[in-house]
Amino acid sequence: GAGVSQSPSNKVTEKGKDVELRCDPISGHTALYWYRQSLGQGLEFLIYFQGNSAPDKSGLPSDRFSAERTGGSVSTLTIQRTQQEDSAVYLCASSPWVWRGQTGANVLTFGAGSRLTVL
Amino acid sequence: KQEVTQIPAALSVPEGENLVLNCSFTDSAIYNLQWFRQDPGKGLTSLLLIQSSQREQTSGRLNASLDKSSGRSTLYIAASQPGDSATYLCAVGLGGSYIPTFGRGTSLIVHP
Repeated sequence: GAGVSQSPSNKVTEKGKDVELRCDPISGHTALYWYRQSLGQGLEFLIYFQGNSAPDKSGLPSDRFSAERTGGSVSTLTIQRTQQEDSAVYLCASSPWVWRGQTGANVLTFGAGSRLTVL
Repeated sequence: KQEVTQIPAALSVPEGENLVLNCSFTDSAIYNLQWFRQDPGKGLTSLLLIQSSQREQTSGRLNASLDKSSGRSTLYIAASQPGDSATYLCAVGLGGSYIPTFGRGTSLIVHP
């Protein structure tokens, strides 16, 4: 697509429920990144994908968080047994290559985010 | 570990002023640096990307410079307007890492 699409834009859930957040990157972009932004905080790295593989999962806060990417395209971030501290905006970004931009303008493009509120 | 600091954290200026926003990083072995703006409740919009071999990039009223040796980048905004009000973030790509590291941002308010 023309840009990075994220859904849902807004999700309110009850503590303990599972949620799935979806990211549809720009067509042809190899790299896909998930970040989390809590109220008044900076961007916290969660995970990135190169194609369908996730070489670095070190940013995932706990084993309740998981992510997958299929067909080198759409990615899903799943949070199981949500807690109130999971409330945040979850941002997805894609770029043509993983971010080592030796050539070209490897611009990182973000989606509008999914705002998660856990009651 | 690469650390990225943005100063000031917040800035309020009258319309028409020229502004300088700062981004400092601890490891000079970067391969690129990108400036973004974020409007309240929205995602990040890319403004400028500077490759490690470049010294500056310009887009309209925006000019970003990069000095790797001193670990600094500055974003210069000329003739600021109320529509420039947003949070400005820099992201640094460190050689050997595929993960851009973000600063906490500078919150800018330009009042009429």
